[in-house]
Amino acid sequence: EAGVAQSPRYKIIEKRQSVAFWCNPISGHATLYWYQQILGQGPKLLIQFQNNGVVDDSQLPKDRFSAERLKGVDSTLKIQPAKLEDSAVYLCASSDPSGATLGSTDTQYFGPGTRLTVL
Amino acid sequence: DQQVKQNSPSLSVQEGRISILNCDYTNSMFDYFLWYKKYPAEGPTFLISISSIKDKNEDGRFTVFLNKSAKHLSLHIVPSQPGDSAVYFCAADEGGGSQGNLIFGKGTKLSVKP
Repeated sequence: EAGVAQSPRYKIIEKRQSVAFWCNPISGHATLYWYQQILGQGPKLLIQFQNNGVVDDSQLPKDRFSAERLKGVDSTLKIQPAKLEDSAVYLCASSDPSGATLGSTDTQYFGPGTRLTVL
Repeated sequence: DQQVKQNSPSLSVQEGRISILNCDYTNSMFDYFLWYKKYPAEGPTFLISISSIKDKNEDGRFTVFLNKSAKHLSLHIVPSQPGDSAVYFCAADEGGGSQGNLIFGKGTKLSVKP
């Protein structure tokens, strides 16, 4: 089974520029997540999709970040304009809620991430 | 304010010995806990989990212990192997299952020396 795919793997931009990241989840996984992991920190959830609907975007800085999952499969995360503090690894994860058993939570499978450097 | 804390940034252990990684949490609403393992340039990989209704879960060399009264959990790796060298993240979920809003700690870098 193919894992979560992300591209690009690395991106370097200057502040105030725009950037977009792409994620292809595991086939059949209805739930998709975008996380931001700043160096030395744990991943922080930015947005969660269930199929093509947003479940939770409470921690997404909506003035500059946007994300979409139009057909309920692939997703893109965009930053416009980027700031220095956006330098981080952006992780995409997916899960299958139907796979969760009572008293458990559905396992999230992570992609390799996109390392963004803002100069 | 950090809700999930891993106070040891790093841990070094000799091959064959036990590795104990610790995690504390502050939110009593958390009802499910997970450990993820991360190698450089890769995404985190699920390792083991435990529900708040249990105090122990074992999977091969990995055992997670939960002490709800102390709001503390630990991951034991016995015996430790060089391939276990990675960053380990503790995560918590307050969603009652299938919610997916995981709160991660900062991670502990484990080095297992041959």
